[in-house]
Parts: sequence; structure tokens; C-alpha cells
Amino acid sequence: NAGVTQTPKFQVLKTGQSMTLQCAQDMNHNSMYWYRQDPGMGLRLIYYSASEGTTDKGEVPNGYNVSRLNKREFSLRLESAAPSQTSVYFCASGRVNTGELFFGEGSRLTVL
Amino acid sequence: GQQLNQSPQSMFIQEGEDVSMNCTSSSIFNTWLWYKQDPGEGPVLLIALYKAGELTSNGRLTAQFGITRKDSFLNISASIPSDVGIYFCAGLRNAGNMLTFGGGTRLMVKP
Repeated sequence: NAGVTQTPKFQVLKTGQSMTLQCAQDMNHNSMYWYRQDPGMGLRLIYYSASEGTTDKGEVPNGYNVSRLNKREFSLRLESAAPSQTSVYFCASGRVNTGELFFGEGSRLTVL
Repeated sequence: GQQLNQSPQSMFIQEGEDVSMNCTSSSIFNTWLWYKQDPGEGPVLLIALYKAGELTSNGRLTAQFGITRKDSFLNISASIPSDVGIYFCAGLRNAGNMLTFGGGTRLMVKP
């Protein structure tokens, strides 16, 4: 099984450009999440989707939008990228009641 | 902001040594989890703890859910080079809440 698949793995953007990170899971999980990881900051939740058709803000949602396209797919969009959004982004899926999450390999984004 | 405090932030040990790390909070959590992140990869779940006082092992790893529900501990026995990575604790207050992650403990093992 592929588990959680993220694309692209690497991306360089200029300030003000837009892009979308794609995520798909094949484990039939209801819940999906987007995190960012910065040095010394651990994992911070950007947005999550507890079930198909719902999305909610996490700890650091500013500058991002999400779309839960269907049960499998959850995308993260940066409308106008800023250098502060340089980070490694992780998509995850799981069962919200247990805390047991399955993560993708990450997408490393650099904004110049 | 981050509500889970992990210590130490980093460790550099000799292969074969035992390792201890912990995670503390000022708030109660009803589920504690430990994840490991290999370099260049996403975190992977190691151990999940659901009951205060619970002690659970997974191979050379042993984790405990603190009796006060405000802390958790992870021990690794007889470390090997592939133990290198970042270890994250995570807490869940109640079903339906979001996970809170600690800042991570970076483990380096010298062969």
C-alpha cells in the first residue's frame, strides 16, 4: 500500500507566487491533516478535515487554504507565498479519536 | 502555542547505551503517543498509550503514561545506529480534539 502520498517533494517559489500541495491516502481514513515543520518548532497544525466535506483551522492557518476534494484527497494552497512559509509540509491521515496518524514523506518548500 | 515540553532537545550517545527522554505538560492528556522521524521522512508512530500508569513496550522501546496524566516517558535500550532521528511525543486530550506535538528530541548515535 502507498499509504499517504504527497506531491511535489520539492518546490522553490518566488515571493507572491501561488502553488498547491497535493495529498492522497489509500487507507480509507476519515480525517486528514496538514502540518508544517520548522527547526525547533516541532509539528504545527495548519488545517485539518475531520471528515469529507468539512475543514477547520489549526494552529497556524494564516496564508493557507485547503480543499477536501473527496475522502482520499486533501490539498493545501498557498495563494501568495511569503518567505515565512519556507518549511517542510507534511500531510497525514488517521482516525481522529485515537491520535494515531500516518504521515506522508513531506514536501520541502522554499520561498525566495 | 506548544504545550508539550520535551527534554532533552538533543542527545549524542554511544552505540549500546540506553536512552531516556520525557515529555511534560501543565495540562492533562488522556492519550499519549510517541512518533519517530527518520532523516528526510515523515514521522512514524512507535507507541500509543491510553491509560494512566500504562507501561508499553515495542521491541527495545518502552513508554510510560504518567500517573498524573501530565507526562510521558520513552526509553530505548541498547541503542543502535538506526535509532538516529527525531522523537516526538504527542498528546490528545479527548476524542475529537487535535493532537498536540512536543518540540522533539533529536537522537544521534555514535557507532
